[in-house]
Amino acid sequence: LAKTTQPISMDSYEGQEVNITCSHNNIATNDYITWYQQFPSQGPRFIIQGYKTKVTNEVASLFIPADRKSSTLSLPRVSLSDTAVYYCLVGISGSARQLTFGSGTQLTVLP
Amino acid sequence: SQTIHQWPATLVQPVGSPLSLECTVEGTSNPNLYWYRQAAGRGLQLLFYSVGIGQISSEVPQNLSASRPQDRQFILSSKKLLLSDSGFYLCAWSVPGLAGGLFEPIISYEQYFGPGTRLTVT
Repeated sequence: LAKTTQPISMDSYEGQEVNITCSHNNIATNDYITWYQQFPSQGPRFIIQGYKTKVTNEVASLFIPADRKSSTLSLPRVSLSDTAVYYCLVGISGSARQLTFGSGTQLTVLP
Repeated sequence: SQTIHQWPATLVQPVGSPLSLECTVEGTSNPNLYWYRQAAGRGLQLLFYSVGIGQISSEVPQNLSASRPQDRQFILSSKKLLLSDSGFYLCAWSVPGLAGGLFEPIISYEQYFGPGTRLTVT
């Protein structure tokens, strides 16, 4: 089972860069690493996905080392509206089975 | 563009009563569909997923069931609700198939979630 481990919470200030790291030691060879953002009483929203090295989109960057046993979501210049829970998701090879989101990281952006 | 609908938004039901939650997706064909439950302050737990009409896989043994009567319709049901069934129920869809090339299939879990149903069992 590809279990993920993330910090429970993080605080940051507006305008700072925030890095959230997720450990996934048992990741399967052919799985993507996917990150989601969730606001209270809403469904998670897809942020970014990657397989290896670095991926960047208009919202975030995702850094994945060569061994793929961890990944780091980077949010540039956060604002108050980035306060949310962030989940990393890694699936087990070949199946949607055991697709389980971890407890996530509560990011609080302070003014 | 694709949209996903869930209803009702909130629901209060007594213990022992039946349940039916509906999810529909627009703007895509043959999506993979998922039902998740999220207890207060917790992560999401995958309950069911479906890769096609009538094809349902259950991840967690419980008193819930799911059905997919049409390509873009996913229904979560229960004959008798328990207190422990309270939670936030989320439906999601994803593009079927695999990302990556033919000889190096890569599993993508890019899912799109509905607005959710808050269920309180009293």
